[in-house]
Amino acid sequence: GAGVSQTPSNKVTEKGKYVELRCDPISGHTALYWYRQSLGQGPEFLIYFQGTGAADDSGLPNDRFFAVRPEGSVSTLKIQRTERGDSAVYLCASSEGTGDYGYTFGSGTRLTVV
Amino acid sequence: AQSVSQHNHHVILSEAASLELGCNYSYGGTVNLFWYVQYPGQHLQLLLKYFSGDPLVKGIKGFEAEFIKSKFSFNLRKPSVQWSDTAEYFCAVNPSGTYKYIFGTGTRLKVLA
Repeated sequence: GAGVSQTPSNKVTEKGKYVELRCDPISGHTALYWYRQSLGQGPEFLIYFQGTGAADDSGLPNDRFFAVRPEGSVSTLKIQRTERGDSAVYLCASSEGTGDYGYTFGSGTRLTVV
Repeated sequence: AQSVSQHNHHVILSEAASLELGCNYSYGGTVNLFWYVQYPGQHLQLLLKYFSGDPLVKGIKGFEAEFIKSKFSFNLRKPSVQWSDTAEYFCAVNPSGTYKYIFGTGTRLKVLA
């Protein structure tokens, strides 16, 4: 596609529920990133995929968070047993290569846990 | 730990005023530097980037930034702002050879018509 697409744009869920957030990167971009932006903060790194593999998941806050990219394009960020502190905007970005190329961000998914 | 500081959290200017937003980072090695802008209701967009060469970088919409290595700074400037520049601006640092971006906390700019 022309840009990075994220769905849903907004998600409200109850505490304890499971959610999935989807990212469809720019076609041909091998690198995919998930960031989280809490209110009043800049985006914070969660996980980086190169192709199908998670090359670095050091930013995932705990084992309730997991992400996959099974075919090297679309990625899904999964959050189990959601907590109110998980409320944030989850941003996906993709790039042709790493770092030097510059990211293209999606519009994000605003997750609200009530 | 690597960090990026944006000291101005909120800036209010009148149209035609000059703008300078500060960005300082803490990292001793070679870095790539970026400014991103987020207009109300829109996604983060790349404003300009510095990889190497001329430390004065020109971006879109009349913005420029200057990399001063000795000060670990990459300040964003625009000589004359417009109402349409109202947005949140994020500075980001990418240690060369890595993929992580470290973002500042952002500066909210409001331009009064």
